[in-house]
Amino acid sequence: AIRMTQSPSSFSASTGDRVTITCRASQGISSYLAWYQQKPGKAPKLLIYAASTLQSGVPSRFSGSGSGTDFTLTISCLQSEDFATYYCQQYYSYQTFGQGTKVEIK
Amino acid sequence: EVQLVQSGAEVKKPGESLKISCKGSGYSFTSYWIGWVRQMPGKGLEWMGIIYPGDSDTRYSPSFQGQVTISADKSISTAYLQWSSLKASDTAMYYCARAEAVGATRFGAFDIWGQGTMVTVSS
Repeated sequence: AIRMTQSPSSFSASTGDRVTITCRASQGISSYLAWYQQKPGKAPKLLIYAASTLQSGVPSRFSGSGSGTDFTLTISCLQSEDFATYYCQQYYSYQTFGQGTKVEIK
Repeated sequence: EVQLVQSGAEVKKPGESLKISCKGSGYSFTSYWIGWVRQMPGKGLEWMGIIYPGDSDTRYSPSFQGQVTISADKSISTAYLQWSSLKASDTAMYYCARAEAVGATRFGAFDIWGQGTMVTVSS
């Protein structure tokens, strides 16, 4: 099974910061990579698919990049509503989620 | 509006059986995959498996193979997740989610999610 490893597991940031979360796959997955945002008590929300394609309705401050085994999610200017947990997911072979990255308020 | 609506919270005893549901509306139910995701209290997302209601093609994560059964009734646009004998460790929130069909046998990311069904197993 393909393993997905995110880093960091959590960190603190301030509104307005540029933040980057990384995700590494245990084997090449081309661009079959998605990013989700989850807030407490809510279902996850798709942000990005195909590694870099923004889902409809998602603000343009979110962006994704990478292919093969290494991927990043960037939030260009952190807003208050962005404090949440973020998950990467591969869908190259079945599906696997990363362990999550919690973005907290500094 | 495209949506997935899941059945309500359940409280069960160890050893009991359970079947939870996920009803799709606003789109062609037989043209998309429906997957199930577990989230144990305070933990991350775990992919359990997925079904294509159009032909009932079903795939399971090795971690959940034999532990649960995924099915669908396309006549009522509903997918199911069931257990024959629950354990305390099955206590979790369970989400269903929709994935686009990619080619003949592959699926994409989850673009629509249900609201979740909380399952509590306790004696």
